Amino acid sequence: SQQGEEDPQALSIQEGENATMNCSYKTSINNLQWYRQNSGRGLVHLILIRSNEREKHSGRLRVTLDTSKKSSSLLITASRAADTASYFCATDDFQGNSGGSNYKLTFGKGTLLTVNP
Amino acid sequence: GAGVSQTPSNKVTEKGKYVELRCDPISGHTALYWYRQSLGQGPEFLIYFQGTGAADDSGLPNDRFFAVRPEGSVSTLKIQRTERGDSAVYLCASSLRASGRGVDEQFFGPGTRLTVL
Repeated sequence: SQQGEEDPQALSIQEGENATMNCSYKTSINNLQWYRQNSGRGLVHLILIRSNEREKHSGRLRVTLDTSKKSSSLLITASRAADTASYFCATDDFQGNSGGSNYKLTFGKGTLLTVNP
Repeated sequence: GAGVSQTPSNKVTEKGKYVELRCDPISGHTALYWYRQSLGQGPEFLIYFQGTGAADDSGLPNDRFFAVRPEGSVSTLKIQRTERGDSAVYLCASSLRASGRGVDEQFFGPGTRLTVL
């Protein structure tokens, strides 16, 4: 079963606009990651945010994490046509009860972002 | 340096046949993951290796699926008696290690597209 659920499923914007994608998850986590997948290409890691962090920046990317709501958002500013891709959030699954960590990474279904020139 | 490579890039087989999919991780990465991705879905975890051992194989759908990593580097995913439902893109990823702080950044290969006729 998939832990992360991205919202919206699809998003179409004009070049230069900002794009915001959201992700919700169900269980406690250690880390949440965002990945990008271009058509016909592999997955590329964008950013990792730890459960004790609330916000992180990388270039034109800004990620927030709200562990109380079990949600994260990815903001891409000043979008470009090359940003057109599917974006996935992925979470690990902290098994606090056993005192250890589960190293399985669970992906959502993704948001398909189209940036029109 | 070289990234994660997977061979073959495409594999077409007939129902009931046996297939092997190969993954060459980034040199020095001790953690290796296999995922399966169906059209319109996010990657689905299959199995995780730390070194030579399968630390978590909870994602393997049934006993027709098996994976090995005998020397702690190259891994082979083996599927026996293939079924049409096995058709998907099989992705391999590696990371430096699976740390005590959850799942780190993963580097993905381009995938093997398996088609079972």
